[in-house]
Amino acid sequence: EVQLVESGGGLVQPGGSLRLSCAASGFTFSSYWMSWVRQAPGKGLEWLANIKDEGREKYYVDSVKGRFTTSRDNAKNSLYLQMNSLRAEDTAVYYCARQNWGGASDIWGQGTMVTVSS
Amino acid sequence: EILMTQSPATLSVSPGERATLSCRASQSVSSNLAWYQQKPGQAPRLLIYGASTRATGIPARFSGSGSGTEFILTISSLQSEDFAVYYCQQYNHWPPVFGQGTKVEIK
Repeated sequence: EVQLVESGGGLVQPGGSLRLSCAASGFTFSSYWMSWVRQAPGKGLEWLANIKDEGREKYYVDSVKGRFTTSRDNAKNSLYLQMNSLRAEDTAVYYCARQNWGGASDIWGQGTMVTVSS
Repeated sequence: EILMTQSPATLSVSPGERATLSCRASQSVSSNLAWYQQKPGQAPRLLIYGASTRATGIPARFSGSGSGTEFILTISSLQSEDFAVYYCQQYNHWPPVFGQGTKVEIK
């Protein structure tokens, strides 16, 4: 079964850091671009970042550039999101997603909740 | 950054009726447009990509059309499981922004 499973969410204080992980299974992880999308409580979807299949090309939305870093370990079929200098407005459910050949996100994880609060 | 505008914000439809959802881009996105369905507490699910291609396992009652700046998602005969929020997303330009969503509710 094709699956993505996120982990690493939780409660963190403003200014703190958190590392999210996304474990992939059921497909050739190293062949796909991957992305991170978040959804604040009661709000819409916000694309954060994506990373090319080999891991060298990465793109970030302005709101997280310089604070968030995505990486991947194709040997471990895993995707990561390192989040630093967290703010209250970063509170959201964070999803990892696989991009299909056209660029749409065809497989999503179940999401992991990140709460930034003192 | 491209702005994606969905209308209406809420659509009230009776089961078995047709639903038509609109998505407009502030500039051309060619056919690089996807539609997603999201139910409460669940991750989004890809319905349509390339503006009109159904994703794997998506029922034929879902169809997409349009190109450039105007796009339509049609659900031909609403089933109970179709009541959800629907998002469009362009992936022609960085960042690949989503629309604000259309909630399809039971009339």
